[in-house]
Amino acid sequence: EVQLVESGGDLVQPGGSLRLSCAASGFTLSSYWMHWVRQAPGKGLVWVSRIETDADRTSYADSVKGRFIISRDNAKNTLYLQMNSLRAEDTAVYYCVRDNRAMDFWGQGTLVTVSS
Amino acid sequence: DIVMTQSPESLALSLGERATINCKSSQSVLYSSNNKNYLAWYQQKPGQPPKLLIYWASTRESGVPDRFSGSGSGTDFTLTISSLQAEDVAVYYCQEYFGSELTFGGGTKVEIK
Repeated sequence: EVQLVESGGDLVQPGGSLRLSCAASGFTLSSYWMHWVRQAPGKGLVWVSRIETDADRTSYADSVKGRFIISRDNAKNTLYLQMNSLRAEDTAVYYCVRDNRAMDFWGQGTLVTVSS
Repeated sequence: DIVMTQSPESLALSLGERATINCKSSQSVLYSSNNKNYLAWYQQKPGQPPKLLIYWASTRESGVPDRFSGSGSGTDFTLTISSLQAEDVAVYYCQEYFGSELTFGGGTKVEIK
């Protein structure tokens, strides 16, 4: 059974850092493109970042470029999102998503709150 | 970046009625080399992550009821629920996966009248 379990969300002060993790099971993470998508409270979906099967190929939304880094650990079958210089507008539920003919499987999400 | 515009923002219909949601992209999402539209539809129920309904604009994901259908090409797309059921109450999003930055529409909230 395919599972994606995010963790690492927390309350953090503006300017702080946080690392999100997404543990995958039921499939091999490195065989798929993977994404992070976020959703601010009561708002719509916003794509954040993507990592391709070639882990050297990554992409970022302009709003997080230079602040966030996506990576994965193939041995642990885990996806990460390192978030630095956090801002209030980064407050959202962050979803880990598998890419297979579109975004075919989503985790339950982890909440990041940026506030003083 | 491609901008996705959905309409209407909300829809309230009676059980059994047809629901039609529109999505317009600011540029074509039809890839000429494979003749596929890089357009997907998702359903999000309260407190849940989104669920993929339709990909390639008109291909239903496995397990999705056949009352859901997608149509359109190029820049104009439609999601149709042929006979609205109580369990279809949700927000529906279109998404393009053609551009380098993937973008979602603003969402359409579907409710029962």
